[in-house]
Amino acid sequence: EPEVTQTPSHQVTQMGQEVILRCVPISNHLYFYWYRQILGQKVEFLVSFYNNEISEKSEIFDDQFSVERPDGSNFTLKIRSTKLEDSAMYFCASSEILAGGSDTDTQYFGPGTRLTVL
Amino acid sequence: AQKVTQAQTEISVVEKEDVTLDCVYETRDTTYYLFWYKQPPSGELVFLIRRNSFDEQNEISGRYSWNFQKSTSSFNFTITASQVVDSAVYFCALSEGGYALNFGKGTSLLVTP
Repeated sequence: EPEVTQTPSHQVTQMGQEVILRCVPISNHLYFYWYRQILGQKVEFLVSFYNNEISEKSEIFDDQFSVERPDGSNFTLKIRSTKLEDSAMYFCASSEILAGGSDTDTQYFGPGTRLTVL
Repeated sequence: AQKVTQAQTEISVVEKEDVTLDCVYETRDTTYYLFWYKQPPSGELVFLIRRNSFDEQNEISGRYSWNFQKSTSSFNFTITASQVVDSAVYFCALSEGGYALNFGKGTSLLVTP
C-alpha cells in the first residue's frame, strides 16, 4: 500500500541553525501539507501546497518557514533559523484531490520527523 | 474559537470493555468533512474514517463504529470489546472544504489487560 515517507525520523539542531525536513508524498497525490505537533498538544496545520505554489498557510507559518518541491517526488519544509519553540513533531501529508466530496481528498500522513532544537 | 472539541482528555478501560470517544464540532458551513485519526505510541497518524456532512449514515468497521449526528454536531467513535492494541491517542478533525484539517486536542485511550 502506498505511503508517505519522511526523513529523517529525528533531527537535533542548535538554535539558529537551518533545517530541512524531507517528505515523499504518495505518488499520484497532488496536494501536499505540513503539520506540526508540539509534545502533548494537538496537531496544527502549517501549510498546503499545490501546483508548485502555497495554497494556504496558517499564522504559524511565518517568514522563517518555506516549502519546496525540488523534484517530482520530494516535498521539503525548511526552517531558516530554528528557535527552541520549533521543537515538535512535523508531519507531512498528501491527498489526491482537495476536499470535495470524495474519499480521494483524505489526507494521509507520514510517520513524522521529531525536531529537537537545543 | 475551537472548531473541534474532544472533552475527554484521557480514558482508561479494561480489555473487552466498550468505549466511546466524543467529538463535538463547530462550523457555519453546510458542506464539511469529519475525520478520525489514531496516533499509537509509535507516533504516526493513522487515518480511520472520513464522513461528509451530507451523509449521516453511521458506519461500522469491525470493532469500530461511528455515530454522526448533525443535530448535535457530534461525531462519536465507539470501540467495542477494546483490546490493548487500541491504546493510542485518537484525534477527531474537521475540514471545511479548504486545505487545512482542524484537529481536536485528542483523547488518550489506555486499555489495560
